Amino acid sequence: DVKVTQSSRYLVKRTGEKVFLECVQDMDHENMFWYRQDPGLGLRLIYFSYDVKMKEKGDIPEGYSVSREKKERFSLILESASTNQTSMYLCASSPQGPGNTIYFGEGSWLTVV
Amino acid sequence: GQNIDQPTEMTATEGAIVQINCTYQTSGFNGLFWYQQHAGEAPTFLSYNVLDGLEEKGRFSSFLSRSKGYSYLLLKELQMKDSASYLCAVRGEESGGSYIPTFGRGTSLIVHP
Repeated sequence: DVKVTQSSRYLVKRTGEKVFLECVQDMDHENMFWYRQDPGLGLRLIYFSYDVKMKEKGDIPEGYSVSREKKERFSLILESASTNQTSMYLCASSPQGPGNTIYFGEGSWLTVV
Repeated sequence: GQNIDQPTEMTATEGAIVQINCTYQTSGFNGLFWYQQHAGEAPTFLSYNVLDGLEEKGRFSSFLSRSKGYSYLLLKELQMKDSASYLCAVRGEESGGSYIPTFGRGTSLIVHP
């Protein structure tokens, strides 16, 4: 079975803190994605990566950065957390190609106070 | 641009049949996915359509009409455990080496006895 593992399930951080959300997949997938999910807004793409050290902005990249130093790991970084970044963050991965299923991690619930 | 529409909420009775519609306008089309998401959990894959017609998988079926930009998910013999959010996602044209999935806001299905 494909496994996408997010390091933290629940986090509480203070405004201005630097936050790291880690994601690891074990199926050698080329593509990895970070989404945030908010009530009434659905899943919105923050960043994605289609190869090691490659990254592309999604729909809402402001306030976030990412790192992909190894194929299996894709990190989301909040340089200076703000309260409007309180959300559920979902990491996902998929093989290359349009018809391939996207697999999601369990999600990380971040609260910024 | 990408636009995906689906109803916000639906209710149905245990044992009944329900149809969840999804319409889309996207730049390019490389397949449509349906995901199920229970509260507080990650989305899980249900179905994939890339050609017109009906794909059946047990109690769940998904239909696609590319000319109409329309899909539906049909759930038969509803069970209480089918209460969840159902996400429609479209993979558009290639971008940055990947086929980025765009998600609708999800349809919350409530199944009552």
